[in-house]
Parts: sequence; structure tokens; C-alpha cells
Amino acid sequence: AQKVTQAQTEISVVEKEDVTLDCVYETRDTTYYLFWYKQPPSGELVFLIRRNSFDEQNEISGRYSWNFQKSTSSFNFTITASQVVDSAVYFCALPSNDYKLSFGAGTTVTVRA
Amino acid sequence: DTAVSQTPKYLVTQMGNDKSIKCEQNLGHDTMYWYKQDSKKFLKIMFSYNNKELIINETVPNRFSPKSPDKAHLNLHINSLELGDSAVYFCASSQAASSSGYEQFFGPGTRLTVL
Repeated sequence: AQKVTQAQTEISVVEKEDVTLDCVYETRDTTYYLFWYKQPPSGELVFLIRRNSFDEQNEISGRYSWNFQKSTSSFNFTITASQVVDSAVYFCALPSNDYKLSFGAGTTVTVRA
Repeated sequence: DTAVSQTPKYLVTQMGNDKSIKCEQNLGHDTMYWYKQDSKKFLKIMFSYNNKELIINETVPNRFSPKSPDKAHLNLHINSLELGDSAVYFCASSQAASSSGYEQFFGPGTRLTVL
């Protein structure tokens, strides 16, 4: 069965520190997509990135970067030079069938000024 | 020009009541979803409709009934509300299957509190 594990429940850092969020997944599919979502304190869920299992290149978007490693079934997310606005719950997700997204338990990131 | 909207944003009600949450998307997507997020932030799919047809129906009490009058709307009706129904309910939509890489766009959520 498809499964996403985010082992880190909470991470607290001081502004400008880097923070890496781990995501480990299990899937029987040979091709698949992975997603990251952000849920700020205001509560909405915001799509951050999708990654196809064929593409193992790291992705960078501003201060955000993603490291996808198929060999270890991991899709980790790093925030560089964190800011208070990065405080949120971050979810990793994997489709468990055509339409169903299985979410990890989420990692709460708190960035202190 | 909100993409996925839900009403109401907050819903406070007594046990035993019946309530509805409405969802609308203006993205032209074919698929809509209802998720429940509990107090520990776990997100769990409840239902999904594709072109007004029910395609996902997770193990939820039959007090919960989704209704999709058209592709742009997916409502959630809950009968005989219980304390355990207190949660945040999210509506979402996608252009096509997430297994094909299509992300789901989420509404702002409806915080339901059952007293």
C-alpha cells in the first residue's frame, strides 16, 4: 500500500537557520508523483511542488529546495535561511490510486525571530 | 476570483443537528474532493466526485452524504452531528488524476465545532 512517513513532528529553528524536512514513502508503482503542501497558521493548504519519479534532479525555487532520491524512497524539503513567514505545517503526499492523495502526518516548522 | 471556495468558514452547532457545507470551484476542474483534518492535523480523504460521479467513498459514517449538483459544486451534508465530527473540512479540486501529476487545489476549510 502507498504510505508516506514524515518522522519529524515538530522542528523549531531561529530565523536564518536552514531546516530540512524528511519525507519517506512506500509505493509499489514504478512511476509516480510526489507532492509537497504548506499549511500556514491561517489554515489554507498551499501546493508547493510536484515531482515525477523519473526526474531525480534536485529542484530549487528561491529559498526552497527539494532532494528526491529514488534509491532511498525519500523526497526531502529544505528551507534555506528560514524566515518567520515559513512557520507552517508542511505535508508530503503520494497518490495511492488515480485520485486519492495519501498525506504524511505533517511536520510543524516554527521559525523564531 | 477565488479558485475553490467553501461556506461557511466556521460552523458551531449542537450535537444531533444536521448541517451542510458548500463548495464551489471556478477552475473548470472535473474532479472534486472532501477531506477531513483532525485536531492532530491528519488529513484524510472522505469522498471524491469526477464529472458528478462518486469515485472515492472512504469508510465514513453514512451520516455524511456528499452531493454534486454539477461539476463546479460539491456539497457535504452531515446528519445527527456528533462530538467526534468536530474537525476542519477541506474541499479540493483537480483537473485530472493526481497519479498523473495533477495537484489538488484546496479551499480555505470549514471549521466545524460540535458542542
